[in-house]
Amino acid sequence: KAGVTQTPRYLIKTRGQQVTLSCSPISGHRSVSWYQQTPGQGLQFLFEYFSETQRNKGNFPGRFSGRQFSNSRSEMNVSTLELGDSALYLCASSLEGGGNTIYFGEGSWLTVV
Amino acid sequence: AQRVTQPEKLLSVFKGAPVELKCNYSYSGSPELFWYVQYSRQRLQLLLRHISRESIKGFTADLNKGETSFHLKKPFAQEEDSAMYYCALKGAGEYGNKLVFGAGTILRVKS
Repeated sequence: KAGVTQTPRYLIKTRGQQVTLSCSPISGHRSVSWYQQTPGQGLQFLFEYFSETQRNKGNFPGRFSGRQFSNSRSEMNVSTLELGDSALYLCASSLEGGGNTIYFGEGSWLTVV
Repeated sequence: AQRVTQPEKLLSVFKGAPVELKCNYSYSGSPELFWYVQYSRQRLQLLLRHISRESIKGFTADLNKGETSFHLKKPFAQEEDSAMYYCALKGAGEYGNKLVFGAGTILRVKS
């Protein structure tokens, strides 16, 4: 079956703009998480959605937001982009329940200039 | 606070040599520990988890609660093992699927 799919794969934005990234989880997975990966900070948890509700949130400013749709697809939005937001944004999906594997997408490379 | 420490940024070994990638964690309860691997130009993928107690691609990892460690080991390194390895923690019984990652260790296997 298809893996976690993220779009767009690459994008360049200007400081002050906003960006929306999309994630389609593996079919049947209702938990979707987002991570930011940078050379300096590594992999950091942004937030997790389950059944259209945010149930976990990392330590990121309010400029970072997300949502999940009834079909479990998710989007994350970053407003008022800063240079430091340049990163690889990873989406991950999982079945509900402990012990289930968390699968990652290939990521969306965001460059802010 | 949940924390995962991987002390080595880079580990370089010769083919056929033993490999040990170190991982220490800080967590007040009972964690679930994982090793994820990212090969060049590929997505992050699960290598193994402590609850499975299995060997994947010759790699094993044992959870040592006394030392709060989950080191990844392989007796004989192969060139195809070259990749970035991340140790990750999830609070057992915690609501949701939040992973806390270490900084990662690049494993370079030389021929």
